[in-house]
Amino acid sequence: QKEVEQDPGPLSVPEGAIVSLNCTYSNSAFQYFMWYRQYSRKGPELLMYTYSSGNKEDGRFTAQVDKSSKYISLFIRDSQPSDSATYLCAMRVQGAQKLVFGQGTRLTINP
Amino acid sequence: GAVVSQHPSRVICKSGTSVKIECRSLDFQATTMFWYRQFPKQSLMLMATSNEGSKATYEQGVEKDKFLINHASLTLSTLTVTSAHPEDSSFYICSAQTGTFVNTEAFFGQGTRLTVV
Repeated sequence: QKEVEQDPGPLSVPEGAIVSLNCTYSNSAFQYFMWYRQYSRKGPELLMYTYSSGNKEDGRFTAQVDKSSKYISLFIRDSQPSDSATYLCAMRVQGAQKLVFGQGTRLTINP
Repeated sequence: GAVVSQHPSRVICKSGTSVKIECRSLDFQATTMFWYRQFPKQSLMLMATSNEGSKATYEQGVEKDKFLINHASLTLSTLTVTSAHPEDSSFYICSAQTGTFVNTEAFFGQGTRLTVV
């Protein structure tokens, strides 16, 4: 079993839809949770960074962490074609340097 | 966010030659840099972690003699793929983080697409 599981998709939705991206994990020691966006043939770009449980909102993006269920989500409201990319979740144990990534979900927003 | 510059963005080399990839933190000092490899439609695989002034720590299964990492300054780390073979063709990405404490964000370079012919 992988430490971090993420549905690779692909996920295709119409413009304006609400998108929900999810990851589950098995290591209860993960404390820091991140979402990265990666456009084709580019490096990942940090979107959201949260610590422990709870919600964090930044514009059209909301990150949720449910540590009791070992489940994190990224919601994108009013999705735009420019949001089409691969979204990677990543997490880290406190005190460790290493980031553990999910497989990434390929998202396409159709105009 | 902080800027990490990776160069070159793509390189084609002949089998048996060596290729050097540079990773620079432009507006911050990066105590720790990471090197990843990414295969098509797959996630990032950590190859090694390098701390400035010390030897890199390689992940299990990564050949340290083949993938030479140097982190000589707080703003520059290099990955050299030695005696490259076609199976080394991949997308290589570096990331850098500030400080020695791990509760900081990691910023990624643009990646380097290596093709070995």
